Amino acid sequence: AQSVTQLDSQVPVFEEAPVELRCNYSSSVSVYLFWYVQYPNQGLQLLLKYLSGSTLVKGINGFEAEFNKSQTSFHLRKPSVHISDTAEYFCAVRLRNDYKLSFGAGTTVTVRA
Amino acid sequence: DGGITQSPKYLFRKEGQNVTLSCEQNLNHDAMYWYRQDPGQGLRLIYYSQIVNDFQKGDIAEGYSVSREKKESFPLTVTSAQKNPTAFYLCASSISESTDTQYFGPGTRLTVL
Repeated sequence: AQSVTQLDSQVPVFEEAPVELRCNYSSSVSVYLFWYVQYPNQGLQLLLKYLSGSTLVKGINGFEAEFNKSQTSFHLRKPSVHISDTAEYFCAVRLRNDYKLSFGAGTTVTVRA
Repeated sequence: DGGITQSPKYLFRKEGQNVTLSCEQNLNHDAMYWYRQDPGQGLRLIYYSQIVNDFQKGDIAEGYSVSREKKESFPLTVTSAQKNPTAFYLCASSISESTDTQYFGPGTRLTVL
């Protein structure tokens, strides 16, 4: 079974600074990769996903992520954050022949002025 | 407006009582899922259903039950057998079990008094 590790539980960052959220997964077979965002007391919204092809994936709200197969990582980045990016971010992995999404524990991003 | 609705947003229950959480979708999706979210643990799969009148247990099904009598509805019952039911519950759906992206509802926060 695959597992997902988000290496940082809390990331404080100043407005207009860059941010990187780290995600590593363990799987011996091909996977689909996802990043979701959750605002307080709301459901999850898909930011971006990697299915195949280019390893650099662009998503909504200026976020992008890079799939690195050799390092089994899928780190999320944004070059300049806004106060409105304050939220919890979840990395998720799914095997290509399976229904199940496995989630990381989440990273809380707090953007300060 | 297409989407997934969950009701109620907040729910309180006394110990020993069963309670049912509602999930409705008008996306014409075949597959539906229930997750439980606890602080610092990400999301864990309770049950999923790929078609009407069929459902399977996820990783933490004990103390929960579901039904899928209609394509658009997938209610979750939290029974008195669930030892620690206080949590945030999220419903999701996808076009079919094999489809890559799951879309989430806004969630129900259950508190056991």
